[in-house]
Amino acid sequence: SYDLTQPPSVSVSPRQTARITCSGTSLAKKNVYWYQQKPGQAPVLVIYKVTERPSGIPERFSGSRSGTNVTLTVSGVQAEDEAEYYCQSADSSGTYVLFGGGTKLTVL
Amino acid sequence: QVQLVQSGAEVRKPGASVKISCKTSGYTASGHYIHWVRQAPGQGLEWMGWINPDSGGRNYVQKFQGRITITRDTSINTLYLELSRLNSDDTAVYFCARDAIVTGTLGDYYFDYWGQGTLVTVSS
Repeated sequence: SYDLTQPPSVSVSPRQTARITCSGTSLAKKNVYWYQQKPGQAPVLVIYKVTERPSGIPERFSGSRSGTNVTLTVSGVQAEDEAEYYCQSADSSGTYVLFGGGTKLTVL
Repeated sequence: QVQLVQSGAEVRKPGASVKISCKTSGYTASGHYIHWVRQAPGQGLEWMGWINPDSGGRNYVQKFQGRITITRDTSINTLYLELSRLNSDDTAVYFCARDAIVTGTLGDYYFDYWGQGTLVTVSS
């Protein structure tokens, strides 16, 4: 089981906005990170520290937080954004890494 | 450029051990922890532990205690994950990943570069 909860799947049409949530009791105070993983590939960091975007990641990827819920938003979804997305944080002690169960983003 | 290159696929019988490698390049190896993350077929990501390439200090997930050993060879900038007493549940792709934070700097663990993954199949 996971301490970070994500919806198993999200589906959107091209050019629409996709929102993927990650919830956890400690997330109101902890940093959260998002990774994109396409089949057969290693994960790629797309958002760090809740809202920051690494260089090279398109501006359509953004992050936000409301209470214990953190959201990855993909604005103007493109076919290439179809992938599995994982949130990541740490346990209450900050010692261990936690991953959410992953959300499959399908572009219709 | 930063690269993490892992060793090739392995097949083991139940009860055996496996040791996979992760060779780093393109940055100061002592400056970043290296983590190991695995992914069973069709499943999510599971963090296993880290090693400090500078000091050799390490931290493992309780679940793997007694079966996991993460080591390093600083002379060739290579990290190793060894997992013993394998069973079918250990069939997975194993990734090494670089911690984004420079060693000694306060901050969370998160990963900015990943190896390509190594498939370990446990089957009789």
